[in-house]
Amino acid sequence: ELKVEQNPLFLSMQEGKNYTIYCNYSTTSDRLYWYRQDPGKSLESLFVLLSNGAVKQEGRLMASLDTKARLSTLHITAAVHDLSATYFCAVDAGMRFGAGTRLTVKP
Amino acid sequence: NAGVMQNPRHLVRRRGQEARLRCSPMKGHSHVYWYRQLPEEGLKFMVYLQKENIIDESGMPKERFSAEFPKEGPSILRIQQVVRGDSAAYFCASSRGDAEKLFFGSGTQLSVL
Repeated sequence: ELKVEQNPLFLSMQEGKNYTIYCNYSTTSDRLYWYRQDPGKSLESLFVLLSNGAVKQEGRLMASLDTKARLSTLHITAAVHDLSATYFCAVDAGMRFGAGTRLTVKP
Repeated sequence: NAGVMQNPRHLVRRRGQEARLRCSPMKGHSHVYWYRQLPEEGLKFMVYLQKENIIDESGMPKERFSAEFPKEGPSILRIQQVVRGDSAAYFCASSRGDAEKLFFGSGTQLSVL
């Protein structure tokens, strides 16, 4: 059974700090997706990583994919309060999602 | 271009009743996924459908739950004889093709009394 594991599940950080969220998966997959969910809202697509070594950046978020290690990272640079949300990774093998990382950025 | 439309947004049912959740995918999208989310939890895959076909239903409970995506009209997730444990947010997502990024609807919050 495919497993998609994210860590940490909860992350509280100060504004201005950097941190990385990790997403490991258990099966071969060439594509990985990152989504954001605000409280009480639906999910929005952030990044689509299409191949090994892919790196995508938007604003303070940067995502990367290592298909050999079955690992994706979402790096947060100089966090701001607006980034507070839950972040999910998903693997294209059946579009299975990780449990999500709830990020809280404090002033 | 309208997004993924789910209705109703909120659905209240008594134990033993049926719940029907509807999802109209984005225009041009022929792939539909249904997920269930409990408060403070992740998304649990339920079923993946293409027009008139169920591709993967490995996340669906074997009893009481069914899904369809007819040639015409929305995808329907049907829950028969609901129980309190069925209370959750049910999200639908659509994509243009296999393994393409998903566009999510706003979800249906099902409450079973």
